[in-house]
Amino acid sequence: GAGVSQSPSNKVTEKGKDVELRCDPISGHTALYWYRQSLGQGLEFLIYFQGNSAPDKSGLPSDRFSAERTGGSVSTLTIQRTQQEDSAVYLCASSPDRDYEQYFGPGTRLTVT
Amino acid sequence: AQSVTQLDSHVSVSEGTPVLLRCNYSSSYSPSLFWYVQHPNKGLQLLLKYTSAATLVKGINGFEAEFKKSETSFHLTKPSAHMSDAAEYFCVVSVLGKLIFGQGTTLQVKP
Repeated sequence: GAGVSQSPSNKVTEKGKDVELRCDPISGHTALYWYRQSLGQGLEFLIYFQGNSAPDKSGLPSDRFSAERTGGSVSTLTIQRTQQEDSAVYLCASSPDRDYEQYFGPGTRLTVT
Repeated sequence: AQSVTQLDSHVSVSEGTPVLLRCNYSSSYSPSLFWYVQHPNKGLQLLLKYTSAATLVKGINGFEAEFKKSETSFHLTKPSAHMSDAAEYFCVVSVLGKLIFGQGTTLQVKP
């Protein structure tokens, strides 16, 4: 079946612009996660959605970052007023429920110039 | 706080020789531990997971890991390295569903 998909695969933006990154999880998966992979910080958790519960936003690095999940499926991660330190690969993962295996998408490589 | 520490940032082995990638964890209770692999320009793939059912866990591609509570370790091993094993390996602990990643170990396999 189809795996987790993310778009765009690559995004180059100018400092100060807003960007939106999209994640399509595996159908039927109730849990959706966003992570960031960067050279300086490694792989770090950003935000987690579980069903209709309030998301766990404890990993978001600043209030410029936000995410939503519509209809319990597609998720969008928004970064406002991008900074150069936001350059990273943003990974999305989904799982059938919390504590199950997480399946990762290919990521979106964000470059802020 | 729960965390994992990968003891080697880079490991180099010859093809056909054993692989050992070391990971220590810190947890106040029985953790859920994983090893993930990331090949160049590819996504993260689960190798194996420990969830307290058995201390020796077998994964894909001939990899296995042993959970040792007394040593707080979860080392990844493979008896014989293959060229295709060259990749980045991450030891991971799950905390309330969120994955906390180690810094990663780059495995180089020499012919």
